[in-house]
Amino acid sequence: GNSVTQMEGPVTLSEEAFLTINCTYTATGYPSLFWYVQYPGEGLQLLLKATKADDKGSNKGFEATYRKETTSFHLEKGSVQVSDSAVYFCALYSGTYKYIFGTGTRLKVLA
Amino acid sequence: ETGVTQSPTHLIKTRGQQVTLRCSSQSGHNTVSWYQQALGQGPQFIFQYYREEENGRGNFPPRFSGLQFPNYSSELNVNALELDDSALYLCASSLADTQYFGPGTRLTVL
Repeated sequence: GNSVTQMEGPVTLSEEAFLTINCTYTATGYPSLFWYVQYPGEGLQLLLKATKADDKGSNKGFEATYRKETTSFHLEKGSVQVSDSAVYFCALYSGTYKYIFGTGTRLKVLA
Repeated sequence: ETGVTQSPTHLIKTRGQQVTLRCSSQSGHNTVSWYQQALGQGPQFIFQYYREEENGRGNFPPRFSGLQFPNYSSELNVNALELDDSALYLCASSLADTQYFGPGTRLTVL
């Protein structure tokens, strides 16, 4: 079946450090891929998405490239801020009715 | 454009009770999905409604049921509450492949 695997957290970085959160997936066909962010006590906010191979999603300085050859969709940001501290979820949608989410990666950015 | 809203924000119930959670979808979105998010976990799909019909269901027992109304708002009903039902319940509305989530309802079962 379809699945999403994210790197274990928490990830702790200093402000202005480079961020990578790894995400790999297993799916039949050509799923759409997403990153969502969840701040404490809140729901999920769409951060970025990519719908086909080699697409790059980007938003608020975050980027992720859909790599079909490695079945990956790693999230990157060149310079993190304290306000980026949150839990990040990778998800896929394969055209059935549901999203499959990873377990989430907590990011903590220190000033 | 109004986003996805959910009510109530928080709820405390006791084992065996029943609960109804509500969701108003984003304007123009005809599909609503419900998810359960346990503490420290990713969201787990409960079911989806499309134009008032259940369109798919995850691995949840029948005591989890739902409705979608003509205005595309939705309800999640849970009967015979168990302690393990304590979680954040998220509603998401969509028109195509992108889901937009509400802030969630935090349910605590004592």
